[in-house]
Amino acid sequence: QVQLQESGPGLVKPSETLSLTCTVSGGSVSSGSYYWNWIRQPPGKGLEWVGYIYYTGATNYNPSLKSRVTISADTSKNQFSLQLSSVTAADTAVYYCARADQGLDYWGPGSLVTVSS
Amino acid sequence: DLQMTQSPSSVSASVGDRVTITCRASRHINTWLAWYQQKPGKAPELLIYAASSLQGGVPSRFSGSGSGTDFTLTISGLQPEDFATYYCQQANSFPFTFGPGTRVDIK
Repeated sequence: QVQLQESGPGLVKPSETLSLTCTVSGGSVSSGSYYWNWIRQPPGKGLEWVGYIYYTGATNYNPSLKSRVTISADTSKNQFSLQLSSVTAADTAVYYCARADQGLDYWGPGSLVTVSS
Repeated sequence: DLQMTQSPSSVSASVGDRVTITCRASRHINTWLAWYQQKPGKAPELLIYAASSLQGGVPSRFSGSGSGTDFTLTISGLQPEDFATYYCQQANSFPFTFGPGTRVDIK
């Protein structure tokens, strides 16, 4: 059974960089032809796809965030990470990591990140 | 970006009812569509992929149909655990986009 777990600071100051890590168990981020995604959801609102890293290391980002987003993987720890720079209050959201095969089939429980001074 | 719309935005229904939710894409996406269920405080769960394929472990009362631009999710015989918000998502083109959601609550 594949499991994903987000971790990282719950509070980030405006203009700083948000950093989250997703730890994967029961599967490998470096094999299996899967896409490893970040999705976010502002409180009380809908879902926004942030980007993914493919098992080959290729990445794809939402153009609305592209200049601020970096997704990377640490295969030795079986983790992938999100960095979002120059954050504002609009980046306050629950951040989910998820695997994509046929649809986003496995999700982490989510991590609330609040941007506030 | 490819825009996804859903209707209705909310629906009140009773246990045992048949509920249909519609999702429309702003341009043709073949069958690159998935449906998710989300309960308060929880991550979304995949119900349907490729417009009509039932994800493993999902009850057969859930079904999906459609192709091109118009899609439906049907719940045949609503159960108490089905009261939730439902999202469609297209995977035809980047960036992947979600519909705004349809909340199903108790009448």
